[in-house]
Amino acid sequence: EEQLVESGGGLVQPGGSLRLSCAASGFTFSIYNMNWVRQAPGKGLEWVSYISDSSSTIYYADSMKGRFTISRDNAKHSLYLQMNSLRDEDTAVYYCARVPNKGGMDVWGQGTTVTVSS
Amino acid sequence: SYELTQPPSVSVSPGQTARITCSGDALPKQYAYWYLQKPGQAPVLVIYQDSERPSGIPERFSGSSSGTAVTLTISGVQAEDEADYYCQSADTSGTYQVFGGGTKLTVL
Repeated sequence: EEQLVESGGGLVQPGGSLRLSCAASGFTFSIYNMNWVRQAPGKGLEWVSYISDSSSTIYYADSMKGRFTISRDNAKHSLYLQMNSLRDEDTAVYYCARVPNKGGMDVWGQGTTVTVSS
Repeated sequence: SYELTQPPSVSVSPGQTARITCSGDALPKQYAYWYLQKPGQAPVLVIYQDSERPSGIPERFSGSSSGTAVTLTISGVQAEDEADYYCQSADTSGTYQVFGGGTKLTVL
């Protein structure tokens, strides 16, 4: 079964840091581009960041630039999101999602919850 | 920044046809994708590249495109189709991905 499992969420104070992980299984992780997507409580989906299969291409949503860093380790079948200078408005469920050649996002994790609060 | 616009809500009776539109200036150049999300669950891809249906998605789900708008059509709506639906695409450069605000489909 193709599966993504996120971890690393939790409660953090404003200005703090957190590193999210996404473990892939059931498919060849190294040939897929990947996304992070988040969803604030009661709100819609928001794209966060994209990384290509070889890490050669990386994009961020404007509000995350300079604070978030996406990376991957294909040998470990894992995707990461380093989040620094966290703000209240970063409180959300964070999903990792697989990007197939046809585009879109066809496999999603169950999400990990990040709460930024003092 | 680039935006996709969806109606906040659509309501239909069981067996009727639901249509959810999504508009954006870059849609003539970029494919659109549709997802459904039920409470407490991760999104599920239901349409890719404007009108293609992934395996396992019921045939009652279809997509179409016309100019700066795309439409998700659900024919013969069932109670289980009640969910939030999101369109997703990219800006003209393909750099920034964006989701529409979401449409809550209510089955009366």
